[in-house]
Amino acid sequence: GESVGLHLPTLSVQEGDNSIINCAYSNSASDYFIWYKQESGKGPQFIIDIRSNMDKRQGQRVTVLLNKTVKHLSLQIAATQPGDSAVYFCAENSGGTSYGKLTFGQGTILTVHP
Amino acid sequence: GAGVSQSPSNKVTEKGKDVELRCDPISGHTALYWYRQRLGQGLEFLIYFQGNSAPDKSGLPSDRFSAERTGESVSTLTIQRTQQEDSAVYLCASSRGQLDTIYFGEGSWLTVV
Repeated sequence: GESVGLHLPTLSVQEGDNSIINCAYSNSASDYFIWYKQESGKGPQFIIDIRSNMDKRQGQRVTVLLNKTVKHLSLQIAATQPGDSAVYFCAENSGGTSYGKLTFGQGTILTVHP
Repeated sequence: GAGVSQSPSNKVTEKGKDVELRCDPISGHTALYWYRQRLGQGLEFLIYFQGNSAPDKSGLPSDRFSAERTGESVSTLTIQRTQQEDSAVYLCASSRGQLDTIYFGEGSWLTVV
């Protein structure tokens, strides 16, 4: 079941380090995955997405890796900055015809120390 | 504006009252979604509109919840006879089409007292 906020996974890193945030998804039929960043008091901000016909996709300072065999998704952030501190959510498409009908993970709190 | 716009940004209401939340999607986006986010948790899908098709209401938690959309424009989410467990952030999102990137608004923070 869902965890309350106090029990969210957390990751603390030093500025300049690389960060890796992991996510296990549940539906083997999911074919679209997204990572969102959410800062306190704001809506989720799109970071990067990947479709199931790919294993890896790179953006600016971010890389998403998809392992369909073990239903695992990861987000790698290079040279992490204090502005990257936020809650990061993975989401999987669960709606078949629409990529917007998403199932979200519980989130991971990333804290970057200067 | 350039992004998804929601109003009100904050709403405090008494238990039993009805509330209406509004969403203006990004111009040209045909798909519109409502999600709910309880404190410290991930987002829960509520409802999805795509063009003139019948909406996908499979995520609405009870018959107290309803939503409408005028064409490919504004949407309103209505919660009748609000309960304390309805307290959450209600997030609207839109996408150009049903297979395109989804962008979220800042949310409407609802507190039921």
